[in-house]
Amino acid sequence: AQTVTQSQPEMSVQEAETVTLSCTYDTSENNYYLFWYKQPPSRQMILVIRQEAYKQQNATENRFSVNFQKAAKSFSLKISDSQLGDTAMYFCAFMKRANNDMRFGAGTRLTVKP
Amino acid sequence: GAGVSQSPSNKVTEKGKDVELRCDPISGHTALYWYRQRLGQGLEFLIYFQGNSAPDKSGLPSDRFSAERTGESVSTLTIQRTQQEDSAVYLCASSQVRDSGTDTQYFGPGTRLTVL
Repeated sequence: AQTVTQSQPEMSVQEAETVTLSCTYDTSENNYYLFWYKQPPSRQMILVIRQEAYKQQNATENRFSVNFQKAAKSFSLKISDSQLGDTAMYFCAFMKRANNDMRFGAGTRLTVKP
Repeated sequence: GAGVSQSPSNKVTEKGKDVELRCDPISGHTALYWYRQRLGQGLEFLIYFQGNSAPDKSGLPSDRFSAERTGESVSTLTIQRTQQEDSAVYLCASSQVRDSGTDTQYFGPGTRLTVL
């Protein structure tokens, strides 16, 4: 079974600074996707970024980028130029490509301070 | 286009009552998922539909939980004889399934269930 670990229950960052959220996972699969989802207080789960395991290039979406280390099974999220609206719970998730088995980490609560 | 919608947004019920939660996926999405999220915790997988069939029911916590999907569209999650431990936010997600594999899941806003 796949497990996803987020070792930072809470983090904070000053507005305009950069923060990195950690995620590690355990799997014997070779083909899979990794995701970061954001859940603000409205509780809507919003896709932030997605990485396909067969791609070596790290995914980037505007201020959000990942550091994907396949051998180390690590998938961290970097948020640059943090904004107050980035305050939310962030969940790392793993999904097998062959089926729809998707597992989530416990989440990291990020607070962006003015 | 329209995203995933869920109803009701909030439901308060008494212990022992049955509740029905509804999910309308994104049009054309053949895969549909239900998750449970207890307060302050991550998402717990409940069940997955491909079309109208559910190949994976392994996450349903007990036989009080059931789900169905019709017309490859709307899904309902039913909890019978609710217990206080059922209190949680129930999230629904949908995705397309391509030849290359399953695509990204898009989530609805959830239903917050409170069992008194």
